[in-house]
Amino acid sequence: AQKVTQAQTEISVVEKEDVTLDCVYETRDTTYYLFWYKQPPSGELVFLIRRNSFDEQNEISGRYSWNFQKSTSSFNFTITASQVVDSAVYFCALSEANRDDKIIFGKGTRLHILP
Amino acid sequence: DGGITQSPKYLFRKEGQNVTLSCEQNLNHDAMYWYRQDPGQGLRLIYYSQIVNDFQKGDIAEGYSVSREKKESFPLTVTSAQKNPTAFYLCASTHSGGARNEQFFGPGTRLTVL
Repeated sequence: AQKVTQAQTEISVVEKEDVTLDCVYETRDTTYYLFWYKQPPSGELVFLIRRNSFDEQNEISGRYSWNFQKSTSSFNFTITASQVVDSAVYFCALSEANRDDKIIFGKGTRLHILP
Repeated sequence: DGGITQSPKYLFRKEGQNVTLSCEQNLNHDAMYWYRQDPGQGLRLIYYSQIVNDFQKGDIAEGYSVSREKKESFPLTVTSAQKNPTAFYLCASTHSGGARNEQFFGPGTRLTVL
């Protein structure tokens, strides 16, 4: 069965600190897709990244980086030199190739960046 | 600009009334989705549609209904059978290929039932 666990419900860090958001997933499929979305206070989810199960390369986009490790079923997200604008709820999500109809979201991590 | 429109942003209804939430997209996406978000619960799938005139129940479809008469539109009706309808509702769409692709979200409708 599909499952996404974001164990950190809420995190607070001071601006300019680095912060890592954890995501652990469960799936029986060998082909699957992992996502991260950001939900700012306005409410609209914004897509950040998609990874397929065959691509374990870590990715960096500006201050954002993602660490995908199949051995531990984790897809963690790190923000370097955090800024107040990074304050949001972040969701990790999973879809399976043989269940092309739905995506399962974690419960989200609320991130507070303190000035 | 292409995107997804949900209206209204805030909606208030009396208990026992049906209410319809609108979702329109001009992205030419085939698949559309409705999610419900409650505090601390993440997003839960209500209904989805991968093609016009076809839709499937998600994980929490009871008390809700949808239609997909046009590619651009996927309205959600919250019926009086829904026991706890107060929530934030998000509509999303994606290219053909379904959930393997990134989803584009609307701004959401916050429904409060009094």
